[in-house]
Amino acid sequence: DQQVKQNSPSLSVQEGRISILNCDYTNSMFDYFLWYKKYPAEGPTFLISISSIKDKNEDGRFTVFLNKSAKHLSLHIVPSQPGDSAVYFCAASGAQGGKLIFGQGTELSVKP
Amino acid sequence: EPEVTQTPSHQVTQMGQEVILRCVPISNHLYFYWYRQILGQKVEFLVSFYNNEISEKSEIFDDQFSVERPDGSNFTLKIRSTKLEDSAMYFCASSKGVQPQHFGDGTRLSIL
Repeated sequence: DQQVKQNSPSLSVQEGRISILNCDYTNSMFDYFLWYKKYPAEGPTFLISISSIKDKNEDGRFTVFLNKSAKHLSLHIVPSQPGDSAVYFCAASGAQGGKLIFGQGTELSVKP
Repeated sequence: EPEVTQTPSHQVTQMGQEVILRCVPISNHLYFYWYRQILGQKVEFLVSFYNNEISEKSEIFDDQFSVERPDGSNFTLKIRSTKLEDSAMYFCASSKGVQPQHFGDGTRLSIL
């Protein structure tokens, strides 16, 4: 099932700089997109979401951008902090909500 | 902040045995889910539950699997006769509306 893809398995960024995590999807019926952060031995923690009627949503240091024509979304973290080091998952759901389809995850490492 | 709690954190079971994974969703949430993540693979949807019945299930969720909300607070996943390939991390999630879903820290199921 390749409906949601995160093509970069890892990303390394210097503290204070911007982290950009990317996600592509193939199913045009997806209506809602979410980003989760996961530390080892913990469950995914909800970070930020965006509805398909928007192209940007911002929450503090985190901004999600949605480009529907390209079926692409990205998560920007500014400024990046060492505590942001984790695996980030992109997920999508249909208009009625329900099941989430996850990407493979991108491991972010923020170096001091 | 309210959390989804899962027990046990690690379950070791002989192949062919029954196993019950337990979850306590966030108290005012109405939608409940089970996901699993096989080592090195994506997080996969298993089943969603709303209004005391299954609302959606994946192909993985065959006759060996069942879910129950026995007492208004717990939400359980039962695997009737475990197979080696059932070894995975199992995550419970709940949501108040259709999104976002909040996840527990998971149960690592090891089948011997």
